Amino acid sequence: EVQLVQSGAEVKKPGESLKISCKTSGYIFTSYWIGWVRQMPGKGLEWMGIIYPGDSDTRYSPSFQGQVTISADKSISTAYLQWSSLKASDTAMYYCARQGAEWELLPPDYWGQGTLVTVSS
Amino acid sequence: QSVLTQPPSASGTPGQRVTISCSGSSSNIGSNYVYWYQQLPGTAPKLLIYSNNQRPSGVPDRFSGSKSGTSASLAISGLQSEDEADYYCAAWDDSLNGPVFGGGTKLTVL
Repeated sequence: EVQLVQSGAEVKKPGESLKISCKTSGYIFTSYWIGWVRQMPGKGLEWMGIIYPGDSDTRYSPSFQGQVTISADKSISTAYLQWSSLKASDTAMYYCARQGAEWELLPPDYWGQGTLVTVSS
Repeated sequence: QSVLTQPPSASGTPGQRVTISCSGSSSNIGSNYVYWYQQLPGTAPKLLIYSNNQRPSGVPDRFSGSKSGTSASLAISGLQSEDEADYYCAAWDDSLNGPVFGGGTKLTVL
């Protein structure tokens, strides 16, 4: 059974750094793209970027390029999303999601449960 | 402003059939598969339809998808109270080189 389990909710202050995680199981981690999707309070879904853990090929939406960093650790089948300096506008639910095999970039099929990030002074 | 356009709301009574539309362009729906997701309140999105009209295992056949040109539709027949949720369409976009989503449709079962 494919599972993506995300780290717990975070409350941070503006300017702080943060790294959230997405631990996967039930499939070959290095053979599928894994992406991150933002959902701001009461709003829709926005694609942030993806990583192919097999070779660490990483691609970002222009809206999020330079704002976040996506990484992966093959040894523990876990993907990460990190910020170096959070802003109040980063307050949102963040989902990781599997996005197709190596040669088949696709919209998400399996999703994590979400990590709520709250940034407030 | 979402790249794919969906009506913000839809409604129906139990047992009725409702459809939700999704409009895009040649760089997304026109040249790639359409996916549909159901997001129940307080939960993560769940895949309902992939490759325009395919249902993952476990999704009832009351849910069906179709695509024509640069538009797609999700149909829900035999509407049930537990279908009350937000529904999102998505497609890969060749210009963005990533998936784009609709703004979501809130379905109310009256």
